[in-house]
Amino acid sequence: GNSVTQMEGPVTLSEEAFLTINCTYTATGYPSLFWYVQYPGEGLQLLLKATKADDKGSNKGFEATYRKETTSFHLEKGSVQVSDSAVYFCALLLRNQGGKLIFGQGTELSVKP
Amino acid sequence: EPEVTQTPSHQVTQMGQEVILRCVPISNHLYFYWYRQILGQKVEFLVSFYNNEISEKSEIFDDQFSVERPDGSNFTLKIRSTKLEDSAMYFCASSDSGGATDTQYFGPGTRLTVL
Repeated sequence: GNSVTQMEGPVTLSEEAFLTINCTYTATGYPSLFWYVQYPGEGLQLLLKATKADDKGSNKGFEATYRKETTSFHLEKGSVQVSDSAVYFCALLLRNQGGKLIFGQGTELSVKP
Repeated sequence: EPEVTQTPSHQVTQMGQEVILRCVPISNHLYFYWYRQILGQKVEFLVSFYNNEISEKSEIFDDQFSVERPDGSNFTLKIRSTKLEDSAMYFCASSDSGGATDTQYFGPGTRLTVL
């Protein structure tokens, strides 16, 4: 079946630390991959996406590369800020499935000053 | 910037009651979705909707659930007879083209509590 697995949280970092949140997927087809972020009390916001192998999505200093050979889409940021504290969701979208996004379980990030 | 809105933000209901969750998608979007997140669990797809028809639905979306676009702006999710296990955060989303590369824009969610 189709699924997304993220690293367990919560992840606690100090400001300016390097962030990696691992995401791997299993898919029967060729998916598009997404990272969504949920700030406290808000809905899901698209952070970045990649639609084909070796594409790199980037936004607000975050980036992730679509690795077909390792079925991964790890999220990275070189220097996190307190304002990055949120829950991060990796997701995949397959063609011809009516727009069904399949989410990972979410990883909570807490950045301390 | 256009955004998806949802009302109410929190709904409390008694088991067996009907609830209607409301969403206003982004105005020029054509594809609409409902997801839910039970506390501590993954965000799960419920249903997608296009051209006044359901495009895809999950096994969760049984006969107790229905969706409707009653006018040009609202998109609703109805649960006919709520169960305790329906307690969750319900998210509405919309997208422009519905393609595999298209971005779905999410609302802030409605927290449903069934007592």
